[in-house]
Amino acid sequence: QSVLTQPPSVSAAPGQKVTISCSGSSSNIGSNYVSWYQQLPGTAPKLLIYDNDKRPSGIPDRFSASKSGTSAALGITGLQTGDEADYYCGTWDSGLSAGQVFGGGTKLTVL
Amino acid sequence: EVHLVESGGGLVEPGGSLRLSCAASGFTFSSYSLIWVRQAPGQGLEWVSSISSSGGYKYYAESVRGRFTISRDNAQNSLYLQMSSLRSDDTAVYYCARDETANPGFGSSWHNWGQGTLVTVSS
Repeated sequence: QSVLTQPPSVSAAPGQKVTISCSGSSSNIGSNYVSWYQQLPGTAPKLLIYDNDKRPSGIPDRFSASKSGTSAALGITGLQTGDEADYYCGTWDSGLSAGQVFGGGTKLTVL
Repeated sequence: EVHLVESGGGLVEPGGSLRLSCAASGFTFSSYSLIWVRQAPGQGLEWVSSISSSGGYKYYAESVRGRFTISRDNAQNSLYLQMSSLRSDDTAVYYCARDETANPGFGSSWHNWGQGTLVTVSS
């Protein structure tokens, strides 16, 4: 059971938009920055979003993210078949056992 | 360009030990915190351990505390994970990754990742 809750899967057609949610608590999302990672099949994770809503260089603006309270969301517009991947949210948990936490991951299928 | 290359994985019997290494290049190694993250077959990402830029602050997941030790050698641009009392549920691909801050915490995000090294714990 992951500390951060994500839907196991989402799907949409090419060209459409999809949103992936990430729910946490006051000790993690509620008080720390959120980041998002894309993991294409058979590869290492790649940073998509950091500091809640910032994109590293090279990440297209089709990818966006937001945070409100103890929840965060990743949005992907203009879906492409190459976007099929697992997506993970992550943040620091400042609770009694401080440490990095990740969501369980969301499998995106582009139909 | 930032490069992180893990090594040291392999097959080990339950109860055994293994030391993973992560060789870094392309950035000022001593300025950034680092992390080990693992991924069991078909599963999601699981945080293992984090270490600050100086090595003075170390954090461990409950599942590995007391069995794993994270360390770094800033002179050698290397990160390590000493794993002991290994169990079958430690079987995973282990990734190292780099933060853009000196201390794990509030603003941590993992900007660069290695390709991973597979650890299999089995008799």
